[in-house]
Amino acid sequence: EAGVTQSPTHLIKTRGQQATLRCSPISGHTSVYWYQQALGLGLQFLLWYDEGEERNRGNFPPRFSGRQFPNYSSELNVNALELEDSALYLCASSLRNYPGRISYYGYTFGSGTRLTVV
Amino acid sequence: AQKVTQAQTEISVVEKEDVTLDCVYETRDTTYYLFWYKQPPSGELVFLIRRNSFDEQNEISGRYSWNFQKSTSSFNFTITASQVVDSAVYFCALNTGTASKLTFGTGTRLQVTL
Repeated sequence: EAGVTQSPTHLIKTRGQQATLRCSPISGHTSVYWYQQALGLGLQFLLWYDEGEERNRGNFPPRFSGRQFPNYSSELNVNALELEDSALYLCASSLRNYPGRISYYGYTFGSGTRLTVV
Repeated sequence: AQKVTQAQTEISVVEKEDVTLDCVYETRDTTYYLFWYKQPPSGELVFLIRRNSFDEQNEISGRYSWNFQKSTSSFNFTITASQVVDSAVYFCALNTGTASKLTFGTGTRLQVTL
């Protein structure tokens, strides 16, 4: 069974540009999560999508956005890139989780996209 | 608010030594899940264990063992007879379900040398 796949592996962008990161979940998983791992800041929750809807959002500015497609794959878009956006962006998937209910299912993470903003 | 504290930033041991990674969590929820993940240099987070708040039984899996104590809000991870391949960053994480997101600790970097 294929795991969570992310593309590209590495991405170099110039400040002010836009970056698009992609994630394909494990087959059968409908929930997709995005996390940012910036140097010195640890792993921070960004976004959660399930069944095409944004279910929860971390403490990030609106220029971080995304979407989930009918096949449950997901995109993370970062607009107006800033130098501090340089980080490893990890995607995770799980079986369906419901807002307000304890998340029983574990999360499987991809290998990440390393975004460098110069 | 939820919080996970991993006070040990970095640990260095010699191969075959036992090592314990500490994790202390904070939550007001009575139902929650705790996780440990391993992050090798490749970057991928590898799932090690999930434990729910109602199950305080310790667990052993090969050289790995976990000690969950609700009284002290701790979920510590012990590697017995460490090996060089255990070198990685280890993260403890908490999920309380209301937002279905994981709250991670800052991680402990384990370096195992020959």
